Amino acid sequence: AQTVTQSQPEMSVQEAETVTLSCTYDTSESDYYLFWYKQPPSRQMILVIRQEAYKQQNATENRFSVNFQKAAKSFSLKISDSQLGDAAMYFCILIQGAQKLVFGQGTRLTINP
Amino acid sequence: GAGVSQTPSNKVTEKGKYVELRCDPISGHTALYWYRQSLGQGPEFLIYFQGTGAADDSGLPNDRFFAVRPEGSVSTLKIQRTERGDSAVYLCASSLLRGGTSEQFFGPGTRLTVL
Repeated sequence: AQTVTQSQPEMSVQEAETVTLSCTYDTSESDYYLFWYKQPPSRQMILVIRQEAYKQQNATENRFSVNFQKAAKSFSLKISDSQLGDAAMYFCILIQGAQKLVFGQGTRLTINP
Repeated sequence: GAGVSQTPSNKVTEKGKYVELRCDPISGHTALYWYRQSLGQGPEFLIYFQGTGAADDSGLPNDRFFAVRPEGSVSTLKIQRTERGDSAVYLCASSLLRGGTSEQFFGPGTRLTVL
């Protein structure tokens, strides 16, 4: 079975600082995709960044980047220059073969002004 | 519309009642997904449609839950004999293609409260 674990229920960071959210996963397959989605209070899930498992290069989207360690099954998200609008629940997600997303428990990120 | 819409946004019902939750996916998206998010938890997969057919319904918790997508667009999640444990936010998502190559776009969810 596929599992995704986010060991940090809550994180906080000062505005303009950098924060890293942790995620580990378990899968028996070699081909899969990993995502970070954010869910603000509006409940609307928004894609932050995506990583294909076959790509060694870490994905980057503006202030968001990942550290993908395939052997360790680790997929952390780094947010640089944190902004107040980054405050949300962040979910680490695995999708493999089948279409359903497997979510982690989520990390609630607070940005302190 | 431009995004996935879900109606109603909130639904309060009494134990034992029947409810229907509606999802309007992005036009042209062939794949549609339902998830359930309990308070303080990550969403859990319920069912996935490819076109009109349910390609994977392994996440439906029991036979009180049923979903349809008769014309390959709008989907309805139906819950019979609701129980207090069914209270959750029900999220719908759609994607252009199947699998991880295609981003899933989520609706704002329906918050179901069973009294």
